[in-house]
Order: sequence, then C-alpha cells, then structure tokens
Amino acid sequence: DYVMTQSPLSLPVTPGEPASISCRSSQSLLHNNGFNYLAWYLQKPGQSPQLLIYLGSHRASGIPDRFSGSGSGTDFTLTISRVEAEDVGIYYCMQGLQSPYTFGQGTKLAIK
Amino acid sequence: QVQLQESGPGLVKPSQTLSLTCTVSGGPINSGDYYWSWVRQSAGKGLEWIGRIYTSGITSYNPSLKSRVTVSVDTSKNQFSLRLTSVTAADTAVYYCAREGNWFAFDYWGQGTLVTASS
Repeated sequence: DYVMTQSPLSLPVTPGEPASISCRSSQSLLHNNGFNYLAWYLQKPGQSPQLLIYLGSHRASGIPDRFSGSGSGTDFTLTISRVEAEDVGIYYCMQGLQSPYTFGQGTKLAIK
Repeated sequence: QVQLQESGPGLVKPSQTLSLTCTVSGGPINSGDYYWSWVRQSAGKGLEWIGRIYTSGITSYNPSLKSRVTVSVDTSKNQFSLRLTSVTAADTAVYYCAREGNWFAFDYWGQGTLVTASS
C-alpha cells in the first residue's frame, strides 16, 4: 500500500496568516498522463470530509481561491494564503493512483 | 445537487454481519462515469477506504478487508450497499458512503453513520 505521511500533525495559526501542510507519499503519484493523483480534504468539526483539491492542484467546485495545492511525484503541499476562522478542522491528503486508496493521518488546524 | 445518505443498524454484535445502505439522490446512480465507495473512520486507524462499485457491478476492495466485504448496487432503488462479515470491536467506526468523481477523488460524501461492534 502507498503510505501517506503528513506534517505537521498540529498547526496553530493566527487569522489572516498563511498556513502550509505537507504530504509525502511512499511512491510517486505521477500518472503517465501527467497528472498527480493526490487530493486534499478538510473535515470540519462534526462534519464529513469535503474535497478541497484534486489532481494535486485543481480546486474543487466552490472552494475559495485562498486554498492552493502544489507538488509532484512524492511531495505535495496544501497552502492557505490567509487563514480564516472557518478553516479550522482536520486536513487529509489521499492518493487515488493505486488501489487501495490511502489517506494521510491528518493535520489539525486550530486558530491561535 | 447530489446527496448521499447512509442507513443501517448502529449496533452489531461481534461475529455478526454489518449491513449498511447508501441512498443517492439528485440524479440516477448510473448516470455519468462514477464509482461509489465506502470509507470508514475510526479513532485508531483514521480514514480507511473499504471498497467501491461501478454501476456495471465491477467492484474493488481493500485487500485488508477483502475476505469479509461485499459492495453491491441496486440501480432501481438508486442505492448501493456494504456488507462486512465477522465483525469485531476493531470494526467500530463511522462509516461513510462517497462518490468518486472523474478525478480519482471523493467529491460527495454522506453524513456518516456510527456503527459499534459490541455485545
């Protein structure tokens, strides 16, 4: 199985400041079609996960442009340009290249 | 707007079978090129993909659960289902159904249902 490792596991952030989360895969997620099969989700307290980013860098429908995804191969980053109070929750990366799909352990973002 | 809703017993006895159904609304389950998946979340193992089905009936399962899992679809009811046999306490989790969109990511999720395996 592909092992997904996130860091940090806890991320306190001041509103208005940027935040970054790293996700590393044990194997490359770059498909031969040129796309990286890496997605990011946010699970807000008491809710289901919601899709933020797919194919490494494509924002899902309705996701604010302060969220961006970057990286290729085995190393990826989710960046929030200016954190807002509504961004609190647990962020997960997930690989969709190889079955079984696997998730990172999660990064908990909290407001300072 | 696509919506998914899980249903089924919240308590299952050890060694028995867990059965859940996901009802899809907002469009026919067999329209578009989608897979329909089950994902669970437990305190001990985080998010774990269980398996998926295409509306043609093609399935794929997590090898860690494959011997105990069956995912099926009923297009006439716009539903897909999960069966997990021989449950133990380790199967206690919140179970989500989800749609896998065209980009190998889950774009719609149900609200989740807690299943506890306990006598």
